[in-house]
Amino acid sequence: AQSVAQPEDQVNVAEGNPLTVKCTYSVSGNPYLFWYVQYPNRGLQFLLKYITGDNLVKGSYGFEAEFNKSQTSFHLKKPSALVSDSALYFCAVRHYGNNRLAFGKGNQVVVIP
Amino acid sequence: NAGVTQTPKFRVLKTGQSMTLLCAQDMNHEYMYWYRQDPGMGLRLIHYSVGEGTTAKGEVPDGYNVSRLKKQNFLLGLESAAPSQTSVYFCASTGGDGNYEQYFGPGTRLTVT
Repeated sequence: AQSVAQPEDQVNVAEGNPLTVKCTYSVSGNPYLFWYVQYPNRGLQFLLKYITGDNLVKGSYGFEAEFNKSQTSFHLKKPSALVSDSALYFCAVRHYGNNRLAFGKGNQVVVIP
Repeated sequence: NAGVTQTPKFRVLKTGQSMTLLCAQDMNHEYMYWYRQDPGMGLRLIHYSVGEGTTAKGEVPDGYNVSRLKKQNFLLGLESAAPSQTSVYFCASTGGDGNYEQYFGPGTRLTVT
């Protein structure tokens, strides 16, 4: 069965410092991986995805993610965090052979001014 | 485009009452989904639809029913609400055109007392 793990409940980072949110996955077949962000009292917004191609994927709001097949990871990164990046971040993987997604439990990111 | 909209935004029910949540999308998407979000549990799929007139069970379907009579609408029903159904409900859709990312509505916050 497809699944993702987000090992940290909360990530605290100082404004201006690099931000990393970790995700590891387990899939049958080729992994289709996604990152979403959720601001308070809002729905999820798509940030970026990996389907094929370059292992470094660039997305919205200056975020990027690195696909690492050997480590089965898809960590989200941002070189310089902003206070406005404080939100809940979800990693997701597509179920093999259909259009369902399996979501991780989410990581709360707190950027400290 | 309005994207994905959900009605209502908030609702309080008493145990045993029934209600229907409405999801509408204007992107001509084939696939639609209902999730619930609970603290520390991420998003869990309740039911989904792969096209007009079709529905299927997700991870946590018990106590819910759905219908997809029109392509643009996906209804989630609670026949006899229970306190365990207190949650935030999200609808999502995707086109099934090889992009796979899902587009989310703003959510419905439901409290069952």
